[in-house]
Amino acid sequence: QSALTQPASVSGSPGQSITISCTGSISDIGAYNFVSWFQQHPGKAPKLLISDVRNRPSGVSNRFSGSKSGNTASLTISGLQSEDEADYYCCSYTSINALVFGGGTKLTVL
Amino acid sequence: EVQLVESGGGLVQPGGSLRLSCAASGFTFSSYVMTWVRQAPGKGLEWVSFISPDGDKRYHADSVKGRFTISRDNPKNTLYLEMNSLRGEDTAVYYCVRGKVQLDYWGQGALVTVSS
Repeated sequence: QSALTQPASVSGSPGQSITISCTGSISDIGAYNFVSWFQQHPGKAPKLLISDVRNRPSGVSNRFSGSKSGNTASLTISGLQSEDEADYYCCSYTSINALVFGGGTKLTVL
Repeated sequence: EVQLVESGGGLVQPGGSLRLSCAASGFTFSSYVMTWVRQAPGKGLEWVSFISPDGDKRYHADSVKGRFTISRDNPKNTLYLEMNSLRGEDTAVYYCVRGKVQLDYWGQGALVTVSS
């Protein structure tokens, strides 16, 4: 199972919006609405931001939103803040009863 | 409050074995699929394994199949990962995670270092 494809890095200024893409295949993202997004700060465990493509768990800011089109999922962060600087990972359930993660995207807030 | 606490990590020689444990509290452990995810130093996240709530169904990544075994003891609220024939590329922080897709709660991680 190949990893999902994410850009290695993205950047934006405070207050701006950015979008991170996550491209898979018809066997994972394209087959199921089971896409999650995680935020990870250095030295910390990942934190769930989005589940089931677009659902935000309680306590997650509404500045984070998810979507999907075909084999590609996206995470949008609006109103960028300095504390958003972190690594972001997408994850999808797959047709072989497994999970696959993206390679991760490092977000820099300029 | 949901808590997941891993233990059992450490330094092991190539070809050796190690068992990780994850003590769960704050939720009905026996009702949830549980998952192990690992992260090599400076690298991304990698799914390792998950197990059904009753322990009847287990799935492992190809990279660990035949060497690692996930199990659980529901009366003890504990998840395990038995790791055999360890290789250098298994060096990573291993996270115990609640859920199968939502992965909503993560432990702090246990570091496993495979080196001679």
